[in-house]
Amino acid sequence: GNSVTQMEGPVTLSEEAFLTINCTYTATGYPSLFWYVQYPGEGLQLLLKATKADDKGSNKGFEATYRKETTSFHLEKGSVQVSDSAVYFCARGNSGGYQKVTFGTGTKLQVIP
Amino acid sequence: EAGVTQFPSHSVIEKGQTVTLRCDPISGHDNLYWYRRVMGKEIKFLLHFVKESKQDESGMPNNRFLAERTGGTYSTLKVQPAELEDSGVYFCASSQGLNTGELFFGEGSRLTVL
Repeated sequence: GNSVTQMEGPVTLSEEAFLTINCTYTATGYPSLFWYVQYPGEGLQLLLKATKADDKGSNKGFEATYRKETTSFHLEKGSVQVSDSAVYFCARGNSGGYQKVTFGTGTKLQVIP
Repeated sequence: EAGVTQFPSHSVIEKGQTVTLRCDPISGHDNLYWYRRVMGKEIKFLLHFVKESKQDESGMPNNRFLAERTGGTYSTLKVQPAELEDSGVYFCASSQGLNTGELFFGEGSRLTVL
């Protein structure tokens, strides 16, 4: 079945450090890929998405590139801020549709001043 | 515009009791989903409504769980009787179409079964 594997946390970084959160997915079909973020006390929000191979999703300084050859969708940010502290979830949609999203376990990021 | 709202935000019950969680999707969104995150693990799909119809309930763990969406507006998820392993955070999400690429989530309802 469909699955998503992401690096375990928690991840603790100093402000302005470089962030990478690894994510790989099962290569069934050609799914859309997503990163969702959950800030403390809030619901999940879509951070960025990519719908086909080599697409790069970007938002708020975060980027992730859809790599079909390595079945990966790693999240990166060049300089994190304290306000980026949150739980980040990698996710994939069904091939050909979005209605049944499969999530990874989530990676908690803490950015310290 | 109001987002997806869930109630209660936190419920603590004893094993064997009944709990009903409610979700109000964004107005006009035909698609409504329930997900669950247990003990810091992955967020797992439970079921999907299109309006008042269950489109996919393959993720419902067992018959102690009952989801309804009468009238195609808000939805309820009832757990009866609750077991210890039902503890977790139950998320509701809605979307306007099937291929919009984005689910809008509520803040979740945390259920603790003692």
